[in-house]
Amino acid sequence: DVKVTQSSRYLVKRTGEKVFLECVQDMDHENMFWYRQDPGLGLRLIYFSYDVKMKEKGDIPEGYSVSREKKERFSLILESASTNQTSMYLCASSFPNRDRLNTGELFFGEGSRLTVL
Amino acid sequence: GENVEQHPSTLSVQEGDSAVIKCTYSDSASNYFPWYKQELGKGPQLIIDIRSNVGEKKDQRIAVTLNKTAKHFSLHITETQPEDSAVYFCVASGTYKYIFGTGTRLKVLA
Repeated sequence: DVKVTQSSRYLVKRTGEKVFLECVQDMDHENMFWYRQDPGLGLRLIYFSYDVKMKEKGDIPEGYSVSREKKERFSLILESASTNQTSMYLCASSFPNRDRLNTGELFFGEGSRLTVL
Repeated sequence: GENVEQHPSTLSVQEGDSAVIKCTYSDSASNYFPWYKQELGKGPQLIIDIRSNVGEKKDQRIAVTLNKTAKHFSLHITETQPEDSAVYFCVASGTYKYIFGTGTRLKVLA
């Protein structure tokens, strides 16, 4: 089975702290994604990557950065955490369809719930 | 911008009844429509999907329908069971991008 592992299930940080959220997948997927989940807003894409060292902004990249130095690992970085970044963060990976026109099935981790005080 | 509207936001049904969740998308380039189920404390998981060249797809108690002209697609769950209780997300997908609906919390009452 595909496994996407997020390093921390629950984090509590203070305003201004630098926060790292780590995600590792074990299926050699090319695509990796970071989403933010908030009640009533669904899942919103922060950043995605379709290859090592490649990254693309999603819909809400402000205040975030990412790093993909190895194919299996995709990190989300909050340079200076703010209270409005309190949320559930979901990492996902996928193997692109043959025609590369779709992302294919997304496999999600269990999420990292971040609270910024 | 592109968006997906999903209704209702909450849905309660008696065990054994049917549940229907409806979505409308805006991007006419969307051609892949998966549905994800998120159980408490877990990440979303794909339960069924449909592509734009198909109008309906069924997998046991779950079916999806797609009306590309109207840009509508729906999830139908028949003979609901307590384990169907979860949050369901519809998705419209084009190139490298998924647009998620806002989610429907389904409660199946025993």
